[in-house]
Amino acid sequence: GAVVSQHPSWVICKSGTSVKIECRSLDFQATTMFWYRQFPKQSLMLMATSNEGSKATYEQGVEKDKFLINHASLTLSTLTVTSAHPEDSSFYICSATGITYEQYFGPGTRLTVT
Amino acid sequence: GEDVEQSLFLSVREGDSSVINCTYTDSSSTYLYWYKQEPGAGLQLLTYIFSNMDMKQDQRLTVLLNKKDKHLSLRIADTQTGDSAIYFCAESARGNNRLAFGKGNQVVVIP
Repeated sequence: GAVVSQHPSWVICKSGTSVKIECRSLDFQATTMFWYRQFPKQSLMLMATSNEGSKATYEQGVEKDKFLINHASLTLSTLTVTSAHPEDSSFYICSATGITYEQYFGPGTRLTVT
Repeated sequence: GEDVEQSLFLSVREGDSSVINCTYTDSSSTYLYWYKQEPGAGLQLLTYIFSNMDMKQDQRLTVLLNKKDKHLSLRIADTQTGDSAIYFCAESARGNNRLAFGKGNQVVVIP
């Protein structure tokens, strides 16, 4: 149990376009979902926390207009990188929590902006 | 604030024990975690320990917590090639499910 999926697993997009990444909890209801960003050989940096049905809370330094997060249902959160640039290339990982505080992580999405 | 430090690289021979260390600064940390990340994949929770515990053992994994020194370690007994990965420690505070991660420690197991 407690499986989190992400789609796509890998995406390449052109500079200036937008790309949407989905995070789904497959067998539990996720009241809270988290979005992380990970650069090569570095740790995970929390970008934002989203609770179902409410606006996401962004960490300091993360542009909310650039990284749009929607958590419209208890099993789905989306992260849209708008007007992507090469510096947005990274590994994006989501996690989800249900009735306990334990976070279950998705497999990650590698974004490459050309 | 939360600040978690880890050393970077460890190589170990198959069958030996490996020890990964982590220090943290937030004394309000309630839960401390060890995660494993294999190349190109997400994080897998290995084990966690409550801050009122000193030690926790789970099969080949032993977690030691020195709350006075804010030091956390993970010992992997009989290290296998499948243990090659990056290991992250993380902490969270009571009533707060936000995690603060260390920089990670890459473990390479030599056959």
